[in-house]
Amino acid sequence: GAGVSQSPRYKVAKRGQDVALRCDPISGHVSLFWYQQALGQGPEFLTYFQNEAQLDKSGLPSDRFFAERPEGSVSTLKIQRTQQEDSAVYLCASSSTDRGAYNEQFFGPGTRLTVL
Amino acid sequence: ELKVEQNPLFLSMQEGKNYTIYCNYSTTSDRLYWYRQDPGKSLESLFVLLSNGAVKQEGRLMASLDTKARLSTLHITAAVHDLSATYFCAVIRLNTDKLIFGTGTRLQVFP
Repeated sequence: GAGVSQSPRYKVAKRGQDVALRCDPISGHVSLFWYQQALGQGPEFLTYFQNEAQLDKSGLPSDRFFAERPEGSVSTLKIQRTQQEDSAVYLCASSSTDRGAYNEQFFGPGTRLTVL
Repeated sequence: ELKVEQNPLFLSMQEGKNYTIYCNYSTTSDRLYWYRQDPGKSLESLFVLLSNGAVKQEGRLMASLDTKARLSTLHITAAVHDLSATYFCAVIRLNTDKLIFGTGTRLQVFP
């Protein structure tokens, strides 16, 4: 595709519900990243995949957050038992080399999650 | 721990004026990025700065990097309303792949 796509673009959940956010990276991009952006803040790193391997999940805020990329392309970020503090925009980014640190990350439009 | 600070946080400037946004980071890094974000939109890459002394220009924006001072600047020349947005700098943490973002500078350009 032309760029990184994410769905849904907006999600409203009641506290305690589970949600799943999808990311389609740029075709052929090896590396995929998830970031969380709270209102008025800069994005914060959540987790990183190289192909299907999750190499860094140090930014996941709790064990309620889980990410997967089973076939090395599409990724899903799942949040269980959502809480109000999970409300944020979740951004996905992809880059084209194995070592994402040396290549530019291209961001998707984000999913705005609101937990009531 | 790598920290990235930007200033100012908010900038209101008149069209035609010049101004500079500053980005300081706390530990060694060899990659610095500038992004633009419009309200409700995602991040648009503006510049990638790869080495000490690097300078890049695109239109009315010019970015520079001083790795010794751990400082990058984004200079705006003769601002126009279309430049109104939030600007983020971000640094790659050495030996990792994660971007560490600054707090952002919200720029408003008025007539």
